Amino acid sequence: AQSVTQLGSHVSVSEGALVLLRCNYSSSVPPYLFWYVQYPNQGLQLLLKYTSAATLVKGINGFEAEFKKSETSFHLTKPSAHMSDAAEYFCAVSSSNNNNDMRFGAGTRLTVKP
Amino acid sequence: GAGVSQSPSNKVTEKGKDVELRCDPISGHTALYWYRQSLGQGLEFLIYFQGNSAPDKSGLPSDRFSAERTGGSVSTLTIQRTQQEDSAVYLCASSLTTGTSGLNEQFFGPGTRLTVL
Repeated sequence: AQSVTQLGSHVSVSEGALVLLRCNYSSSVPPYLFWYVQYPNQGLQLLLKYTSAATLVKGINGFEAEFKKSETSFHLTKPSAHMSDAAEYFCAVSSSNNNNDMRFGAGTRLTVKP
Repeated sequence: GAGVSQSPSNKVTEKGKDVELRCDPISGHTALYWYRQSLGQGLEFLIYFQGNSAPDKSGLPSDRFSAERTGGSVSTLTIQRTQQEDSAVYLCASSLTTGTSGLNEQFFGPGTRLTVL
């Protein structure tokens, strides 16, 4: 079975500052890893995904994440936060390309201060 | 084309009543998933359908929860004798069946917010 742990249920940054949202995974097989974003009163939207190709994955809205096997991590970053980035972010892991067994972290709420 | 839709968007019910939540997946998506999102918690997997069959029901919290899917399309999640702890947002997602072409993204609906008084 696989799981993810998101460190920090709330992260607050100033507009223009670096965004770093942490995710560590546990998986007995090579994982597929995802970051989803949920804006208020909306469904989840895929930001980016790692599928065993390049370890640095670029997603939408300027976000990227780096797969580090040695650290079992898949942290999400963005160089400069924008007010519109305020949302809930979920890391997820799957062990198969069916996504049948995708499991999500508890989420990190990002607040961006002016 | 249209995304995943769910109805109702909000449901308030009294403890002990039964509720039905509906999910319309993206046309052509054969895989369908139900999740529960409780306040302060992540997404909890409930059940997964491939076509009309549910290979994995391991996430259903109790026998008060059931789900079905007909015609390989619409799915309903039924909660019988609702309890206050059932209050949550119930999310539905769909994806293409994977063949050999690789990873298939799950597309999520906006959810149904269930409040049990």
